[in-house]
Amino acid sequence: GPKVLQIPSHQIIDMGQMVTLNCDPVSNHLYFYWYKQILGQQMEFLVNFYNGKVMEKSKLFKDQFSVERPDGSYFTLKIQPTALEDSAVYFCASSLDRGQDTQYFGPGTRLLVL
Amino acid sequence: GEQVEQRPPHLSVREGDSAVIICTYTDPNSYYFFWYKQEPGAGLQLLMKVFSSTEINEGQGFTVLLNKKDKQLSLNLTAAHPGDSAVYFCAVIPGTGGYKVVFGSGTRLLVSP
Repeated sequence: GPKVLQIPSHQIIDMGQMVTLNCDPVSNHLYFYWYKQILGQQMEFLVNFYNGKVMEKSKLFKDQFSVERPDGSYFTLKIQPTALEDSAVYFCASSLDRGQDTQYFGPGTRLLVL
Repeated sequence: GEQVEQRPPHLSVREGDSAVIICTYTDPNSYYFFWYKQEPGAGLQLLMKVFSSTEINEGQGFTVLLNKKDKQLSLNLTAAHPGDSAVYFCAVIPGTGGYKVVFGSGTRLLVSP
């Protein structure tokens, strides 16, 4: 089936530094998502992005978070500055249409903030 | 907002046995439901997408039941095999529309030979 790629698979950084997580979505998809999963907990929605804009975000999407997809390249999640509680697995997803369409997920980026 | 409770968190069965995972949701207007399978180091693989009008959905080796009266979605693996060992997540699109999908907390299934 359609594949979503995420780079890197693992990232370890010091608290206060900036980190950028990269997502290569399915090529013809138009809607992009980030989810956060803390170890042992359920996956939680962070943000949805379409046509260069954030369409919806949750309370977890703090001011230190930003997303963009410059010129159809990677869809990125940037955290600046990072905090200890940002340690989690971040999953990217993409879909052709909005909410009711199937979202295809990447394998996740494991972020550890020390 | 929508809340989704998934149980059990862990499930161990023998090869050939059935395995049932249940999700209970709160928003009666929820209209799309999903089951995903996650193997170690991999993304979520879609098993089935269910629309609210369809109560019984047959897949390959599994059945998905939607009970709207009780607001429950279940995944029943009819004759599990070791390759089914993974973490399974249900997901629901609430009736408020929008873009977000609400996930259950996951069930770690282990199928032993």
